[in-house]
Amino acid sequence: GESVGLHLPTLSVQEGDNSIINCAYSNSASDYFIWYKQESGKGPQFIIDIRSNMDKRQGQRVTVLLNKTVKHLSLQIAATQPGDSAVYFCAEKSSGGSYIPTFGRGTSLIVHP
Amino acid sequence: DAGVIQSPRHEVTEMGQEVTLRCKPISGHDYLFWYRQTMMRGLELLIYFNNNVPIDDSGMPEDRFSAKMPNASFSTLKIQPSEPRDSAVYFCASSLTSQGNTEAFFGQGTRLTVV
Repeated sequence: GESVGLHLPTLSVQEGDNSIINCAYSNSASDYFIWYKQESGKGPQFIIDIRSNMDKRQGQRVTVLLNKTVKHLSLQIAATQPGDSAVYFCAEKSSGGSYIPTFGRGTSLIVHP
Repeated sequence: DAGVIQSPRHEVTEMGQEVTLRCKPISGHDYLFWYRQTMMRGLELLIYFNNNVPIDDSGMPEDRFSAKMPNASFSTLKIQPSEPRDSAVYFCASSLTSQGNTEAFFGQGTRLTVV
């Protein structure tokens, strides 16, 4: 079946640097995407979402970019802080379907002080 | 709202024993999901309910796994008999379908260890 996957399992950055986490999806019918952050010992938490009629959406220090042509999603974190260290997942929803969060393996972001 | 509440937080059991995991979704949410997380497979969807009715249980690994949702505020995931390979973190999540955000809210998880 179609699935969501992540390119990089681990990303190490220095505090203050910008981080970019990538996600590839294969379901061209997907119309809604979400980034989750999972800290150690906790469940995934919502960070930001984007609908397929948008290319970019900004939050506080985070930006999500959507490229539907190549079915690629990215999460950019500005001025990365130690508290950003976590595993990041992208999830998708298919157009017209129920919202069933489907996750890839995740990318571990490690921020060095 | 206190969010999605799962119990217990940790469970250690012997192989062959029955294990029951519990979940209280966010009040008013109409979808409830059970996930299993391991290092090898990441987050796997086991089963989900809509308005207390199981919709898709194709992710349930074996007949040893069963899930119920007797009412809108409670769900259980049962493993009987448990095996060491069932060791994982089990998450419950709930969501509210709407025109707006439809993200799922996750509980803190239950870490299951089967020895």
